[in-house]
Amino acid sequence: DSGVTQTPKHLITATGQRVTLRCSPRSGDLSVYWYQQSLDQGLQFLIQYYNGEERAKGNILERFSAQQFPDLHSELNLSSLELGDSALYFCASSASPGLGTDTQYFGPGTRLTVL
Amino acid sequence: DAKTTQPTSMDCAEGRAANLPCNHSTISGNEYVYWYRQIHSQGPQYIIHGLKNNETNEMASLIITEDRKSSTLILPHATLRDTAVYYCIVRVGGGADGLTFGKGTHLIIQP
Repeated sequence: DSGVTQTPKHLITATGQRVTLRCSPRSGDLSVYWYQQSLDQGLQFLIQYYNGEERAKGNILERFSAQQFPDLHSELNLSSLELGDSALYFCASSASPGLGTDTQYFGPGTRLTVL
Repeated sequence: DAKTTQPTSMDCAEGRAANLPCNHSTISGNEYVYWYRQIHSQGPQYIIHGLKNNETNEMASLIITEDRKSSTLILPHATLRDTAVYYCIVRVGGGADGLTFGKGTHLIIQP
């Protein structure tokens, strides 16, 4: 158990809909990262937040957005869903970037199925 | 971040040491070598990381060559539960970006 929690575990929805995925980082971690893993693209970094502020962006679509709240939990919002958005979505957390190494610990993921 | 090259798949007998190689010939002086593994659609699990020196923890050992252009992850006594995809990632310490995962090595532990 990494200490990172994600809800829900599974989500089934229809094309065009909007969903929200939630992540709680390990106790004391200030940074949250979101990743997408699909069969054809592998594990891809989407976005990072540090202490409530966006810190880095990866291959995140404009239909997707995220935020980190004062209690440090984070939400990933996916809108206008398409079939190709079906994937595993992982959240990771780390203590604080910029302080030597910042090992990322991953949650168990949310499996999103778009029908 | 430097690119890494790993074999696509490897087999190892249960109880033997599993040695997983990784080439990172363009690694920079401030880049660390990280190893993660992913067991069948579970979240990636951190294993170990190092900069120059060899490292050991309760899960594995990491051997980095003197020129830092390659490394080997060693699982000393592999079990069936070690069957997973193993990812070698090179990354600047404290870097702001996410991890760049390649295709990794699919390690299969044979009974």
